[in-house]
Amino acid sequence: TVMTQFPATLSVSPGERATLSCRASQRIDNNLAWYQQKPGQAPRLLMYGASNRATGIPARFSGSGFGTDFTLIISSLQTEDVAVYYCQQYHTWPPITFGGGTKVEI
Amino acid sequence: QEQLVESGGGVVQPGQSLTLSCTTSGFVFRRFGVHWVRQAPGKGLEWVAVMSSDGSSSHYAESVKGRFTISRDESKRTVFLRMDRLNTDDAAVYYCAKVARGDFWVMDVWGQGTTVTVS
Repeated sequence: TVMTQFPATLSVSPGERATLSCRASQRIDNNLAWYQQKPGQAPRLLMYGASNRATGIPARFSGSGFGTDFTLIISSLQTEDVAVYYCQQYHTWPPITFGGGTKVEI
Repeated sequence: QEQLVESGGGVVQPGQSLTLSCTTSGFVFRRFGVHWVRQAPGKGLEWVAVMSSDGSSSHYAESVKGRFTISRDESKRTVFLRMDRLNTDDAAVYYCAKVARGDFWVMDVWGQGTTVTVS
């Protein structure tokens, strides 16, 4: 299953809303996770099951979608949210597959 | 807290072998599987392999099948990734990550990574 993320780069002002998209090449129900990777760091799990926040993830992060189209929203961007965000499908495995990432910048 | 620490990365020549280690702490090791995910320089994430909590099953990406072997040692709380016949496409930062509770194919805690250079 090929995962496509867009846009590749997203520029958002602090306090503004950031909307990231992820599309699967075939239906994956809600078997989608989102990860955040800050510069020089390992990835961190943000969301699973398309809309469930992982432990410790702030409420400004929300996820939605089902089937082939998914969205990650950061409701009010903070400077610490600058990172690359990856979606990952786990409906069809192996392999699990990641999208190419969306870079969020201020 | 739950922690994974990778080691064993280094510089090797094409065709050589290398074994990575992922040492864990802070959780009941025998209850969770562990994945390996890699990231080539300036690129995105690529899943490599996974082993189940009891070691009875493992899966590999097509790009490494037959060359890489995942294993685990309960007494050492460590998962290994043996990499044979390395080529330049295998150069990457290798992360190990713990299987999330309830979702075998989701990774909820990641190590900091170890770098493999093939040159």
